[in-house]
Amino acid sequence: GNSVTQMEGPVTLSEEAFLTINCTYTATGYPSLFWYVQYPGEGLQLLLKATKADDKGSNKGFEATYRKETTSFHLEKGSVQVSDSAVYFCALSTSGTYKYIFGTGTRLKVLA
Amino acid sequence: DAGVTQSPTHLIKTRGQQVTLRCSPKSGHDTVSWYQQALGQGPQFIFQYYEEEERQRGNFPDRFSGHQFPNYSSELNVNALLLGDSALYLCASSAGGYSYNEQFFGPGTRLTVL
Repeated sequence: GNSVTQMEGPVTLSEEAFLTINCTYTATGYPSLFWYVQYPGEGLQLLLKATKADDKGSNKGFEATYRKETTSFHLEKGSVQVSDSAVYFCALSTSGTYKYIFGTGTRLKVLA
Repeated sequence: DAGVTQSPTHLIKTRGQQVTLRCSPKSGHDTVSWYQQALGQGPQFIFQYYEEEERQRGNFPDRFSGHQFPNYSSELNVNALLLGDSALYLCASSAGGYSYNEQFFGPGTRLTVL
């Protein structure tokens, strides 16, 4: 079945460090891919998305490229801030279904 | 423009009881999905409602049921509560229910079953 695998957390970085959070997926057909962020005590907010192979989603300095050949959608940011501390979820959806399938989440902690 | 709203924010119940959670979708959205997020886990899809019908269901028992009203708001009902039902319940709304459309999430209802 369809699934999403994220790297284990927590990830602890110093401010202005480079961030990579790995996400790989298994899916039939051509999924749409998403990164959501969850701040403490809040619901999920869409960070970025890509709907077809080679698309690059970007928002607030975060980027992720839909790589069909490696079935990956890794999240990157060149310089993290303390305010980026949150839990990040990779998710997919496939045509013909209406649900999102989420990874287990990766907690990011950025130290000043 | 109000986003997705959920009520109540927190709820404490005991085993065997029944609970109803409520969700109002974002303005302009007609589709509501419900997810269960256990502590330290990603959200798990419960079901989706569109045009007042359950359109798709995840791997949850029949104790979980729902309803969508003509104004697109929705309720999630859970009967015969178990300790394992303790979780954050998230409502998400979207337009038309296409899988590639962004789902907007509410802040969730934290359910604790004692």
